[in-house]
Amino acid sequence: QQQVKQSPQSLIVQKGGISIINCAYENTAFDYFPWYQQFPGKGPALLIAIRPDVSEKKEGRFTISFNKSAKQFSLHIMDSQPGDSATYFCAASLRTYKYIFGTGTRLKVLA
Amino acid sequence: DVKVTQSSRYLVKRTGEKVFLECVQDMDHENMFWYRQDPGLGLRLIYFSYDVKMKEKGDIPEGYSVSREKKERFSLILESASTNQTSMYLCASVASSPGQGNQPQHFGDGTRLSIL
Repeated sequence: QQQVKQSPQSLIVQKGGISIINCAYENTAFDYFPWYQQFPGKGPALLIAIRPDVSEKKEGRFTISFNKSAKQFSLHIMDSQPGDSATYFCAASLRTYKYIFGTGTRLKVLA
Repeated sequence: DVKVTQSSRYLVKRTGEKVFLECVQDMDHENMFWYRQDPGLGLRLIYFSYDVKMKEKGDIPEGYSVSREKKERFSLILESASTNQTSMYLCASVASSPGQGNQPQHFGDGTRLSIL
């Protein structure tokens, strides 16, 4: 019940395309869902986060879509750029400061 | 900006050695975490600390211990290093903010540890 399942494991997208990464969870008590971006040799950095009282959050080219009834949330990267090539992690938190992370998606955007 | 600094980027040790990984944060955060990152497994929580001298086991604490003598510093200790502890180790911190909901964790750039 504490798992967060992330897919796909890897993703290749053409420049200008849309990248979509999906996460699913079981525990309906999770109340915070951040996405982290990690470049090689760097630690993960917060990209965007959502709380379950909203269905969508957009920041620039990055959008989180949240489906509470399906217990799923996804990251959409519009107009994907080579500079977006990184590993992306979803996570969920349960009224604490502890996160449960997904297994990560390695995104490669082709120029 | 929050800064989480891990003392070593790369570390090579031998099996059986006692290994210390150090992490310092400069934002007076109450909560600090140690994760290990392995391909296909994501980030797994080893230990966390919610106050000085306070610690709690995470999902994979076996073979590890931690120390938090000062608020800004959180150390991960491999008591007797083994080859299966070769990994990337990440430290993170976050403030406690009662009534404000969850806050994002801030990560260091990691220590890549190889045990030979």
